[in-house]
Amino acid sequence: DAKTTQPNSMESNEEEPVHLPCNHSTISGTDYIHWYRQLPSQGPEYVIHGLTSNVNNRMASLAIAEDRKSSTLILHRATLRDAAVYYCILRDPEETSGSRLTFGEGTQLTVNP
Amino acid sequence: SAVISQKPSRDICQRGTSLTIQCQVDSQVTMMFWYRQQPGQSLTLIATANQGSEATYESGFVIDKFPISRPNLTFSTLTVSNMSPEDSSIYLCSVGGQAWFSDTQYFGPGTRLTVL
Repeated sequence: DAKTTQPNSMESNEEEPVHLPCNHSTISGTDYIHWYRQLPSQGPEYVIHGLTSNVNNRMASLAIAEDRKSSTLILHRATLRDAAVYYCILRDPEETSGSRLTFGEGTQLTVNP
Repeated sequence: SAVISQKPSRDICQRGTSLTIQCQVDSQVTMMFWYRQQPGQSLTLIATANQGSEATYESGFVIDKFPISRPNLTFSTLTVSNMSPEDSSIYLCSVGGQAWFSDTQYFGPGTRLTVL
């Protein structure tokens, strides 16, 4: 599986934007970029995913570099509830094992009031 | 979306015993997954369970230690056998959608296991 690299931790202030980076320099042309987050004492939850174009949903935006070797998850206005571990994961539909999720260490986001 | 429940939510067990964890989904799903999250660590996939076939285990996990059942499209169990303190973890099940490569996975709340 292609590997992703994320900072161990980041801090933000409430109601400010947060940019969570992810490097995936060995990404293949068919890998989708997925983001999940894990709130304290809960299972992971889906945030957003994309292939080439930037994506927006009600939770966040995903900005994908033109060469696809990096991406950034953007929380437009952080709230205390956004404090979680954020995981950037690549999934390849071409592989038979592509249906599973391979979690890295993720980024622990702290949101200060 | 899918709503997933797990039983028990937590348990404290003695070494050498076994515990069976149940995972129930509110809709029929093809693929179910079992993960382990050791204290302070990320999630590690144990196995993939498809209805009607044997579970597929990841490297480092064996059927004798983690037998899995998948009797229908809404239910699965994971047994942690002959437990030791190193098995103390959170065990989570998840399900994937039909279009798994772009669809999302949904996770249960987890079962927190402590082995004494």
